[in-house]
Amino acid sequence: QSALTQPASVSGSPGQSITISCTGTSSDVGSYNLVSWYQQHPGKAPKLMIYEDNKRPSGVSNRFSGSKSGNTASLTISGLQAEDEADYYCCSFAGSTTFWVFGGGTKLTIL
Amino acid sequence: QLQLQESGPGLVKPSETLSLTCTVSGGSISNSNYYWGWIRQPPGKGLEWIGNIYYSGSTYYNPSLKSRVTISVDTSKNQFSLKLSSVTAADTAVYYCASKIYDAFDMWGQGTMVTVSS
Repeated sequence: QSALTQPASVSGSPGQSITISCTGTSSDVGSYNLVSWYQQHPGKAPKLMIYEDNKRPSGVSNRFSGSKSGNTASLTISGLQAEDEADYYCCSFAGSTTFWVFGGGTKLTIL
Repeated sequence: QLQLQESGPGLVKPSETLSLTCTVSGGSISNSNYYWGWIRQPPGKGLEWIGNIYYSGSTYYNPSLKSRVTISVDTSKNQFSLKLSSVTAADTAVYYCASKIYDAFDMWGQGTMVTVSS
């Protein structure tokens, strides 16, 4: 069982928007502005999409955005494209004993 | 542009020690802005953080693996390494090395599959 809870799957049609949630606790997501999101295509390494809750690395499309409310972080993908079909993982700092925890991952299907 | 490449045996026997090395190119492992980490992914499952190391040698481990994990750095070779002792089938996974900046894992190696089996 993963430390952070994500829905197993979400789906959307091209052009639509979807949101993936990542629920933690007051010891991780709720305590630090250090949630990151990763995209992983089959057989490939994860790719950083969002860091520090809502910042985009250079080169990542502005269709990807991050937000947080309390113990739940969210990744929103707008204007869905076929290439967005992938697994998405959230990650959060969880203090100086546990350090880093991942969510169980969410499979995004483009209909 | 940083690049990371994992290397090591793809098959390890139960109870033995898994050893992997990550070679960093395109930048110095002694860059004070970076930490270096190992993350694994069992087949069909999610990501699990194993641990991080700073170029100075400071280490940070997943509490659930801490008793079996050692991460070390060799600045002269621009490499860092992972040792996981007393492995079982549950340690079968793709092992990734990654660089950590901005408190996120920004660059990843391609991953290497390690199977624990006799």
